[in-house]
Amino acid sequence: GENVEQHPSTLSVQEGDSAVIKCTYSDSASNYFPWYKQELGKRPQLIIDIRSNVGEKKDQRIAVTLNKTAKHFSLHITETQPEDSAVYFCAASIPNSGYALNFGKGTSLLVTP
Amino acid sequence: GAGVSQSPSNKVTEKGKDVELRCDPISGHTALYWYRQSLGQGLEFLIYFQGNSAPDKSGLPSDRFSAERTGGSVSTLTIQRTQQEDSAVYLCASSSAGLTSSYEQYFGPGTRLTVT
Repeated sequence: GENVEQHPSTLSVQEGDSAVIKCTYSDSASNYFPWYKQELGKRPQLIIDIRSNVGEKKDQRIAVTLNKTAKHFSLHITETQPEDSAVYFCAASIPNSGYALNFGKGTSLLVTP
Repeated sequence: GAGVSQSPSNKVTEKGKDVELRCDPISGHTALYWYRQSLGQGLEFLIYFQGNSAPDKSGLPSDRFSAERTGGSVSTLTIQRTQQEDSAVYLCASSSAGLTSSYEQYFGPGTRLTVT
């Protein structure tokens, strides 16, 4: 089945620095790639997503890039703030499964003041 | 409006017993998904429902797991003869699945299942 690999598993940055999380997927038929943020004890929440017909998408301090040929996509957070500290999950849609998702194992981001 | 709700929030059961977990999706969302999240791990897809159609069961880990969705709304995930490895947080999500321009899945708070 589809595998989504996510790196790094932990990331520590200073406030104001940028953070980058990278993911790869295995099934070239995947066409939807969301990123979720999960704070401790809370439910995952979508922060940004990208369809396969787009190479880049930006929303304020958050951006996602997609390289379909290489089958990898990345999350970029600029000007990080302590409230960005959380676990971030990338995901890729499972083909022919109504946009059900295969998730990466998560990146624990810590932003220190 | 109301988000996705799940019950119970916590369930402790003895090995070998059956459990039922409930999900109430966002009203009007046609797609419903079940995932499970083991401690420190990502989410693992279990099953997907679209409206009243037969579900996509491709993610179910064994035949002890089953799910149904009544009237295209509420869903119940049943685990028979629970094992300790079934201990996890079971998350439900719903989506308009592209009927609007969004494919966003909205997650419920989850049910934490502990099998002793």
